[in-house]
Amino acid sequence: ETGVTQSPTHLIKTRGQQVTLRCSSQSGHNTVSWYQQALGQGPQFIFQYYREEENGRGNFPPRFSGLQFPNYSSELNVNALELDDSALYLCASSLLGGSYGYTFGSGTRLTVV
Amino acid sequence: ELKVEQNPLFLSMQEGKNYTIYCNYSTTSDRLYWYRQDPGKSLESLFVLLSNGAVKQEGRLMASLDTKARLSTLHITAAVHDLSATYFCAVIPNAGGTSYGKLTFGQGTILTVHP
Repeated sequence: ETGVTQSPTHLIKTRGQQVTLRCSSQSGHNTVSWYQQALGQGPQFIFQYYREEENGRGNFPPRFSGLQFPNYSSELNVNALELDDSALYLCASSLLGGSYGYTFGSGTRLTVV
Repeated sequence: ELKVEQNPLFLSMQEGKNYTIYCNYSTTSDRLYWYRQDPGKSLESLFVLLSNGAVKQEGRLMASLDTKARLSTLHITAAVHDLSATYFCAVIPNAGGTSYGKLTFGQGTILTVHP
């Protein structure tokens, strides 16, 4: 059984650029959610995908968007990067409802300069 | 809006001592999760608590859930240095539908265990 894998592990981008982060969900999981964790804070929910559709969204602007593919992997896209977007981005996979918990990937550290 | 509050936010313990971390939340929920995070690392799942009165134990850690009081506790028994980390509780409200997957995290408790 494989866990949740994310790529890349680290990324440096310039303000105004666009970025795509990738996540492969744990085997058997059909739901992927994305979180942003700023330094010294708890993770903040961005959105969740189930059956390739967005199934819940947190307080993030539309420039944060995502995709889920038929194999349940997912992408997070952020347009027009701002300095405040610098954070650890975490992907979590689960079965819908979370009764068996959420498995987090190792994260992508994004730095916007 | 769901609020999740942990206390204490910082906890310095001596090895061998016991202590409890508290997690209060503001709306009806019977799904609560505890995670551990080491510096610069991802979140490691510790416990999944899905009903009132749920109690789970793993090694020196024990977690419980009181949905009526909207309170979960993480009890540490005979702390050892390896338990030093940040501990988060996270809650999903009972709204169903699009609330699935929307974990709302507490601020985290930074635990340091020293000799």
